[in-house]
Amino acid sequence: DAKTTQPPSMDCAEGRAANLPCNHSTISGNEYVYWYRQIHSQGPQYIIHGLKNNETNEMASLIITEDRKSSTLILPHATLRDTAVYYCIVRVSNVFNAGGTSYGKLTFGQGTILTVHP
Amino acid sequence: EAQVTQNPRYLITVTGKKLTVTCSQNMNHEYMSWYRQDPGLGLRQIYYSMNVEVTDKGDVPEGYKVSRKEKRNFPLILESPSPNQTSLYFCASSYLAGHLKYLTDTQYFGPGTRLTVL
Repeated sequence: DAKTTQPPSMDCAEGRAANLPCNHSTISGNEYVYWYRQIHSQGPQYIIHGLKNNETNEMASLIITEDRKSSTLILPHATLRDTAVYYCIVRVSNVFNAGGTSYGKLTFGQGTILTVHP
Repeated sequence: EAQVTQNPRYLITVTGKKLTVTCSQNMNHEYMSWYRQDPGLGLRQIYYSMNVEVTDKGDVPEGYKVSRKEKRNFPLILESPSPNQTSLYFCASSYLAGHLKYLTDTQYFGPGTRLTVL
């Protein structure tokens, strides 16, 4: 799976949009971009994923650049409860045929600590 | 409510005393997995299961056992716990979406079990 680079920390004011960047310059054609977050010591929570088109769900939007080398997770109206570590993960799409011991495995990097302040 | 549950949430035990951490999901997911999370090491996969009676080792299986006798349950067994197994443990389950080589998976995590082995 391709490596990702994220800023170690970011701040955001409550009610404003939080834009979290992720670089994945070595991404290959069959790799998806996934975002998860982990609120302090709780189980990681799936947010969104995409291949090349922009995606939106009830939690967030995902903007992927045309060359797919970077992406941005957007939380449109951040709240205090959005304070968490956000992980950008790039994975092959056919994860259950990836071979070896990588079936379904998620590999979390260091992520971005997002702090939403009043 | 769709969820993954783990029990116990907290456990303090002594070296060598066998223990089991239970994991149950109510979403009829075929894939289940155990991770441990340690400071500076991120999430590491211990074991995973593709379906009933199908299990395989992840990256750090030593000292652990699992079983998958029913689709909804995936217990983690520590036959002889040692202090280096002190960690935060997460169970996850997953479903597949999409088709052919563009399958993607969304993983749901339990709340975590904080284990201390003295």
